Amino acid sequence: DQQVKQNSPSLSVQEGRISILNCDYTNSMFDYFLWYKKYPAEGPTFLISISSIKDKNEDGRFTVFLNKSAKHLSLHIVPSQPGDSAVYFCAASAHGQNFVFGPGTRLSVLP
Amino acid sequence: DVKVTQSSRYLVKRTGEKVFLECVQDMDHENMFWYRQDPGLGLRLIYFSYDVKMKEKGDIPEGYSVSREKKERFSLILESASTNQTSMYLCASTGAYEQYFGPGTRLTVT
Repeated sequence: DQQVKQNSPSLSVQEGRISILNCDYTNSMFDYFLWYKKYPAEGPTFLISISSIKDKNEDGRFTVFLNKSAKHLSLHIVPSQPGDSAVYFCAASAHGQNFVFGPGTRLSVLP
Repeated sequence: DVKVTQSSRYLVKRTGEKVFLECVQDMDHENMFWYRQDPGLGLRLIYFSYDVKMKEKGDIPEGYSVSREKKERFSLILESASTNQTSMYLCASTGAYEQYFGPGTRLTVT
């Protein structure tokens, strides 16, 4: 049973618009969440994180929102750029233990 | 900058061969991990290590073993490669609160 879910395998967005990638989790012990971005033939690179004591974290064009009661987090990219086209993984950990990754969402930003 | 390197980017092996995947990190991290990535399944943890000579099974350890003789080096071993082990293999080491990944090794077993 997947503890971290990304129910959209793919997403297409027009350049300049907002991209919203969603992630749901089942383990209420998770207290730290991260988003990774992965280009083909490369390893994932860290994008942004959020601790469970916060409900929002912003870094430039990227904002992560956390709704603990719904066990849901989302990554907003505004404005989306063609270079953002990649696979995005959501990951979660509990008390600094191993990270659990979601299956990923492939984002395509169309020029 | 943290650097995690993997010995090969692409590898083709035959069924039954013994395969070694090497990973080296230069940040003196204690924790290192091996994942495989398959479409629709995300990253699945094979093995991890919290210290030299220590190893722990992840979610899918069957058919794999690991070796951590030095802090900076973590090796994944496929004792007898099978076609269902064709995958992208990713090594990672953990800093304070994030994992740093290597570029990955795409292994094809024929």
